[in-house]
Amino acid sequence: DGGITQSPKYLFRKEGQNVTLSCEQNLNHDAMYWYRQDPGQGLRLIYYSQIVNDFQKGDIAEGYSVSREKKESFPLTVTSAQKNPTAFYLCASSMGDSGGYTFGSGTRLTVV
Amino acid sequence: GIQVEQSPPDLILQEGANSTLRCNFSDSVNNLQWFHQNPWGQLINLFYIPSGTKQNGRLSATTVATERYSLLYISSSQTTDSGVYFCADRGNTPLVFGKGTRLSVIA
Repeated sequence: DGGITQSPKYLFRKEGQNVTLSCEQNLNHDAMYWYRQDPGQGLRLIYYSQIVNDFQKGDIAEGYSVSREKKESFPLTVTSAQKNPTAFYLCASSMGDSGGYTFGSGTRLTVV
Repeated sequence: GIQVEQSPPDLILQEGANSTLRCNFSDSVNNLQWFHQNPWGQLINLFYIPSGTKQNGRLSATTVATERYSLLYISSSQTTDSGVYFCADRGNTPLVFGKGTRLSVIA
């Protein structure tokens, strides 16, 4: 079955460390997205990519970095510059700008 | 950018009751979608509905693009309907989400 796989489900980070969240899709979707969700809040856009080797900043890109070397993969790195990284991170994909979005099951990141 | 407002923020229903969730937009509707987030965090796309009405089982949605709002109807609610319902739309950027309606269905 086609879908989006995020890993790991739970991730713990020490202060000052960089961590990378994985997102892989086999839906042949062109566009991929990273959102952050804080408790009781909606989703906020971190980065998105509409085509391989190209990506754009979203509303809250500071302290994060991404790459899009393959159509299927869009990893997100949470750097030490992100001062409040504890959150639920969701990856999504769509067939172009106007398609319906499909979400992965999320990664819960906690700073310890 | 586009602003998305959802109401009510919280809703508690007895099993079997019906409900209506509302989503208002600050700009023209382009790519309106409704999602359900279950208690484990998984977001499921319920409807892609930039205009008109769609139905899927006990759920239906209506978007009136000219008046910049959308409604999600849940009939004969079940405990498995509990969770958070989000609407989202796209302006010149990817989907912008509302803050959601938290629904609790009590047996």
